Amino acid sequence: SQTIHQWPATLVQPVGSPLSLECTVEGTSNPNLYWYRQAAGRGLQLLFYSVGIGQISSEVPQNLSASRPQDRQFILSSKKLLLSDSGFYLCAWSSGEGYTFGSGTRLTVV
Amino acid sequence: SQQGEEDPQALSIQEGENATMNCSYKTSINNLQWYRQNSGRGLVHLILIRSNEREKHSGRLRVTLDTSKKSSSLLITASRAADTASYFCATDKIGTDSWGKLQFGAGTQVVVTP
Repeated sequence: SQTIHQWPATLVQPVGSPLSLECTVEGTSNPNLYWYRQAAGRGLQLLFYSVGIGQISSEVPQNLSASRPQDRQFILSSKKLLLSDSGFYLCAWSSGEGYTFGSGTRLTVV
Repeated sequence: SQQGEEDPQALSIQEGENATMNCSYKTSINNLQWYRQNSGRGLVHLILIRSNEREKHSGRLRVTLDTSKKSSSLLITASRAADTASYFCATDKIGTDSWGKLQFGAGTQVVVTP
């Protein structure tokens, strides 16, 4: 069966520090992968999506970047975090019948 | 702006009652999906309804879709305390660059009291 792993679950980082969040998928090949951010009490905003290795599309200009070094690995990064980067980050993959989400990473930038 | 917008923003009911929430969207879609999120957790896919479908059932869930009105509803029958969660609609827009990207509404927060 397909599973998606996302870590860490929580992260507290100082302003200006780097960030690396990792997401891996098991049980499927060549998945469409997505990074979303959810602000408190809000819906999800699509940040990046990828249809294959090395193929990244950005939805909104921001302080973040994404990479897909392997078929089932999707990484969200930042060189220098801002306070506004705080939020709940969710990785997802699409089967065509709906998304499967990871458990999310709550990032607090202090 | 968000493609899907849920109504109401919050809903409080008692166990055994039905809960209905609505979603409106703006552009033509391939499908519309409903998700559930427990506090602080990831989203769980509940049901997908395609643009050529009008109604779909899954257990105690019933989803309708009216493409002429660009709206959908989610009905939870015989609610339980465990149904307490936020519910989101998400649309998969028609478009050559859509790539299966979903746009989410802000959600309806449902509280079911025993």
